[in-house]
Amino acid sequence: QSGLTQPPSVSGAPGQRVTISCSGSSTNTGAGYDVHWYQQLPGTAPKLLIYGDTNRPSGVPDRFSGSKSGTSASLAITGLQAEDEADYYCQSYDSELSGVVFGGGTKLTVL
Amino acid sequence: EVQLVESGGGSVQPGGSLRLSCTASGFTFSNYALDWVRQAPGKGLEFVSAINSNGDSTFYADSVKDRFIISRDNSKNTLYLQMGSLRPEDMAVYYCARDMSGIYSPLNAFDLWGQGTMVTISS
Repeated sequence: QSGLTQPPSVSGAPGQRVTISCSGSSTNTGAGYDVHWYQQLPGTAPKLLIYGDTNRPSGVPDRFSGSKSGTSASLAITGLQAEDEADYYCQSYDSELSGVVFGGGTKLTVL
Repeated sequence: EVQLVESGGGSVQPGGSLRLSCTASGFTFSNYALDWVRQAPGKGLEFVSAINSNGDSTFYADSVKDRFIISRDNSKNTLYLQMGSLRPEDMAVYYCARDMSGIYSPLNAFDLWGQGTMVTISS
């Protein structure tokens, strides 16, 4: 099945570590295509957080990290802060759809 | 300041047309491919269209093909999206986004986003 699957929600207490998964298939993440991650704070535009699976743009704190293994990618956030409460989206390419695909998004709640 | 600013959103009837604009500043506009990405109310992100840095190649999601036209004017640092035959499912916030490269590739990330402009479809 084409597309990327993310959990609808995750939560964690301040200071904790959370991970957000992005599950794909052999036509996207499993084919080796890059995964990118975006953070969307409430009422604002998305912001690039991770590109090319593991790379952080300038200005993104090193509390955010990306990884990929097989057909799944993950975004890890360490030292959770209240300001991290947002929606997070993964993005990749799907060869079956011949285009850009986004995950459905994950809402992170900081308890 | 490096930024993208969208405009042109509004309310339109089903079947109507609308043109969105995205004006860039703070970077060399003609060096980058550009995209439109939309987000329906309460929903996730959806790629809409992309155009290469010199405007010679364009790309569309199947959902908007033959109804939307993307274009750019590098002399005005402006990206456009002409939307026609609008449907209720086109209602969304439309974001302008910058590719990380001058040549569009669906593998690229979007490293700069505008604040978005809302398109409402209502009779």
